[in-house]
Amino acid sequence: GDSVTQMEGPVTLSEEAFLTINCTYTATGYPSLFWYVQYPGEGLQLLLKATKADDKGSNKGFEATYRKETTSFHLEKGSVQVSDSAVYFCALSDLGTGRRALTFGSGTRLQVQP
Amino acid sequence: EPEVTQTPSHQVTQMGQEVILRCVPISNHLYFYWYRQILGQKVEFLVSFYNNEISEKSEIFDDQFSVERPDGSNFTLKIRSTKLEDSAMYFCASSNRQGVGELFFGEGSRLTVL
Repeated sequence: GDSVTQMEGPVTLSEEAFLTINCTYTATGYPSLFWYVQYPGEGLQLLLKATKADDKGSNKGFEATYRKETTSFHLEKGSVQVSDSAVYFCALSDLGTGRRALTFGSGTRLQVQP
Repeated sequence: EPEVTQTPSHQVTQMGQEVILRCVPISNHLYFYWYRQILGQKVEFLVSFYNNEISEKSEIFDDQFSVERPDGSNFTLKIRSTKLEDSAMYFCASSNRQGVGELFFGEGSRLTVL
């Protein structure tokens, strides 16, 4: 079945550091890929998405590129802020299997220190 | 800004008891979901609901679970006889379309089964 694997956290960075959170997936069909973010005390929110190979999703300075050849969708940001501290979830939706529900990774906690 | 609300935020119950978790989705959304996250593990899909019936469910969603939309606003998850392993954070989500769309999540209901 479909699955998503994320790097384990917590990831601790200083403000203005470069961020990479790795995400790889396995899927039967041609999935769409997502990053969701959960800030403390809030629900998950869509951060960005990509629906086909080589697409780049971007939002709030975060980017991720859909790499079919490496089955990856790594999240990057050039300069993190304290306000980026949250849990980040990689997810996929694989319409090719007829299953529309999101499959999530286990989440990566990011802590940004001033 | 419209949001998904969930109650209770935390519930403690004894094994074997029935639990109902409540969700108020965003008012013009048509698709509803329940996910759960056992502490330290992945966010797992339980069930999706559309047009007053279950459209998709996972292997986790067995006969102990049921969902209902009793009125025009609430969407509930019932666990008939709770087990220790049901202890988790339960997330409700809604969307305005199926397929590759954004899910809007609530803050979650933490269930602790003793």
